[in-house]
This record gives sequence, structure tokens and C-alpha cells, in this order.
Amino acid sequence: DVKVTQSSRYLVKRTGEKVFLECVQDMDHENMFWYRQDPGLGLRLIYFSYDVKMKEKGDIPEGYSVSREKKERFSLILESASTNQTSMYLCASSSGGSNEQFFGPGTRLTVL
Amino acid sequence: AQSVSQHNHHVILSEAASLELGCNYSYGGTVNLFWYVQYPGQHLQLLLKYFSGDPLVKGIKGFEAEFIKSKFSFNLRKPSVQWSDTAEYFCAVNAPGGRRALTFGSGTRLQVQP
Repeated sequence: DVKVTQSSRYLVKRTGEKVFLECVQDMDHENMFWYRQDPGLGLRLIYFSYDVKMKEKGDIPEGYSVSREKKERFSLILESASTNQTSMYLCASSSGGSNEQFFGPGTRLTVL
Repeated sequence: AQSVSQHNHHVILSEAASLELGCNYSYGGTVNLFWYVQYPGQHLQLLLKYFSGDPLVKGIKGFEAEFIKSKFSFNLRKPSVQWSDTAEYFCAVNAPGGRRALTFGSGTRLQVQP
């Protein structure tokens, strides 16, 4: 079974803090994704990566950056957290030839 | 750009009732279509997917969906729901050979009453 793990299930941070969300997958997938999930808005793509050290902006990249130094790990960085970044963050991965994505359990981030 | 509409935001059914959740997408070319489910406290998991071929797709737990190209629709159905089907359901789309990320609808929250 594909396993996508995220470093924290719940996180509380203060406005202005730098926040790191980590995601690891164990299936040697080329593609990794970060989404945020908000009630009534579904999932919206923040960033994705096709390969190590490669990244592409998604639909809502403002206020976020990412890092992919190793194939199995994809990090989401909030340089200076703001209250409007309070959300559920979901990581996903997929193989190059398949569009099926496998999701992690999510990190619920609260920014005070 | 692709977009996905799920018109039913919250559906309440009694056990054994039939279910149909609507999903419409906007994109002029070939698409891959997905339904994901998120049970309370659990991560998103794939219910079913359509890439090509038979437009009637069967998934896990008795769910099926029908791709109607002329209507740009991919509605999810189940003939008889159970209390355990209480969850949020998301329709998603992407284009083969295009951006690998999925475009999701806003989700439908299904509540099944025993």
C-alpha cells in the first residue's frame, strides 16, 4: 500500500512565525503535491513537484514556498504565517504514468 | 483552465435510499475523472476513476459513476446507501498529458441517517 505521511496532524502557530510542513511518501513516486482544504472550497493546489529540486506553482501559491531535496520528501513552507493561512493542508503523491493521487492524513494548521 | 462544479453541498438521506451526486466539469478536451471520499477523521481515498472506455465505471463499496461527455458530467451513484457512507465526496478532473495535479470540486457532504 502507498503510504503518505505528514509530520503533524495538528499545529498551532503565531502570526509571523515560519512554519514547515513535511510530507514523506514511500512508493518512489515522481509527483508530489500540496493542497489546502477549506469548507465550501474543496481542495486547492498550492504547489507541486515533478522531480527532485523541481517545483511548479499551483493555483494559490502566494505566501507559500516548497522544497524537494529528496524524491520521497516534499516540504511546504509558510515564510511568515498569517491568520488567513489557517486551514487543513493535504499532501499527495502520484507516479509519473498515473494520475491517481494518494493522500496523506492532513495537517490542521491554526495561526493565531 | 479546468473547473469542477458540485451543485449539492449537503445531502441528507435515510439508509437504503438511492444516491446521486452531481459533478460537472468545464474543459474542452479529453479528461480523466475521479471521485474521492473523505470519511470523518480519515484521509481522502479514491472511490473510482475514469480514464477511457466504458463510460459506466464501478468503484469500491458499491459506488458507480457515469461519464456523459455531451453533458460534461460524471455523476456518482449508489442504489442503497448505508450509515457508513456518511462522508464528504469530491469530484476531480485533470487532462491526460497536461498538468498532473487535480482540479477539485467544492465537495458534497453526505449525511446518512439510520
